[in-house]
Amino acid sequence: AQSVTQLDSQVPVFEEAPVELRCNYSSSVSVYLFWYVQYPNQGLQLLLKYLSGSTLVKGINGFEAEFNKSQTSFHLRKPSVHISDTAEYFCAVSITGGGNKLTFGTGTQLKVEL
Amino acid sequence: DTAVSQTPKYLVTQMGNDKSIKCEQNLGHDTMYWYKQDSKKFLKIMFSYNNKELIINETVPNRFSPKSPDKAHLNLHINSLELGDSAVYFCASSQGLGSGGSEQFFGPGTRLTVL
Repeated sequence: AQSVTQLDSQVPVFEEAPVELRCNYSSSVSVYLFWYVQYPNQGLQLLLKYLSGSTLVKGINGFEAEFNKSQTSFHLRKPSVHISDTAEYFCAVSITGGGNKLTFGTGTQLKVEL
Repeated sequence: DTAVSQTPKYLVTQMGNDKSIKCEQNLGHDTMYWYKQDSKKFLKIMFSYNNKELIINETVPNRFSPKSPDKAHLNLHINSLELGDSAVYFCASSQGLGSGGSEQFFGPGTRLTVL
């Protein structure tokens, strides 16, 4: 079975500073990787996904992530955050033939401060 | 223009009651899901349907019964509600199962509180 670890439960950062949210996964088969964002009292929205090809994936709102197979990581980065980026961020994984089932990490609360 | 909608948004009820949550998507997708988000914000899949056929049925008490009357709807019925059922329930949809990488679109959630 696959699993996802998000080591940081909370990440405080000042506005306009860069940020990296860490995600590591475990799986015995090839995976697809996703980052979702959840704003307060809302549903989840896809930020970006890695299916195959280039390991650097660009998403919405200036976010990007890099798939590193040897380190089984898929860290999310943004060079300059804004107050509006304050939200919960979830890393998720699915596998081929798995019914498109998403297995989520425990989430990272990004808090952007002035 | 809501893509995935859920009703109700909030549901407060007593232990032992039976309740339903409805989900509708207007994206033309053929696969729908139910997820449960607990108080620590951990998300876990419960069920998925593809073309009205049950695909995923995780280890969920049989008090929970999904029903898909058509491809655009997936409802969740819960019998004999317990305190531990309190959570936010999210519906999602995707176009097919693909090879596992189909994007899922989430509804706004239904916050269930069992007293």
